[in-house]
Amino acid sequence: EAGVTQFPSHSVIEKGQTVTLRCDPISGHDNLYWYRRVMGKEIKFLLHFVKESKQDESGMPNNRFLAERTGGTYSTLKVQPAELEDSGVYFCASSPLTGASEKLFFGSGTQLSVL
Amino acid sequence: AQSVAQPEDQVNVAEGNPLTVKCTYSVSGNPYLFWYVQYPNRGLQFLLKYITGDNLVKGSYGFEAEFNKSQTSFHLKKPSALVSDSALYFCAVRDMGGIGGFKTIFGAGTRLFVKA
Repeated sequence: EAGVTQFPSHSVIEKGQTVTLRCDPISGHDNLYWYRRVMGKEIKFLLHFVKESKQDESGMPNNRFLAERTGGTYSTLKVQPAELEDSGVYFCASSPLTGASEKLFFGSGTQLSVL
Repeated sequence: AQSVAQPEDQVNVAEGNPLTVKCTYSVSGNPYLFWYVQYPNRGLQFLLKYITGDNLVKGSYGFEAEFNKSQTSFHLKKPSALVSDSALYFCAVRDMGGIGGFKTIFGAGTRLFVKA
């Protein structure tokens, strides 16, 4: 069974440019989460999809960040325009819709560097 | 609001010795607690969880964690460390107060070095 996959693994862009990150969750997992970790700090929640619906986007930093989940399958996270403080590792995680005790399955992350 | 604190940035231990990675939490209501591990260039992997029941929970790779309600702690332990246990460990708590869903709140992580 394929795990959670994220693309690209690394992205280096200049300030002001646009970047789109993609996440393919485990097939059948209705919950999809985006997280970000800035160097040495906690992994911060960005948002939560249930199928194609945004359940909680309270962690999105500002309106430069746009997340979508087309048809309840893969998800994209677009940053436009990127700023220096957006640098970090962006993780995607998924889980089945069976309750709060479910563990999360993580992708390997996208390392974003904004120069 | 739910929160997790990992007071140690790094823990160093000799192979064969017991290890402890500390975690304290703050929640309203009953806590759902988790430990995850991240190896280099990999995503986080689930180690173990406490939902209810026995305060000592056992997980993958010989790890266990002790839930202490009075001290609001959930320390990760292993009786005998291996060099291969060297990794980044994250404590987490499930936020049950969200509207319409449950998000997981993570600590800052503790890097474990096991020396041969």
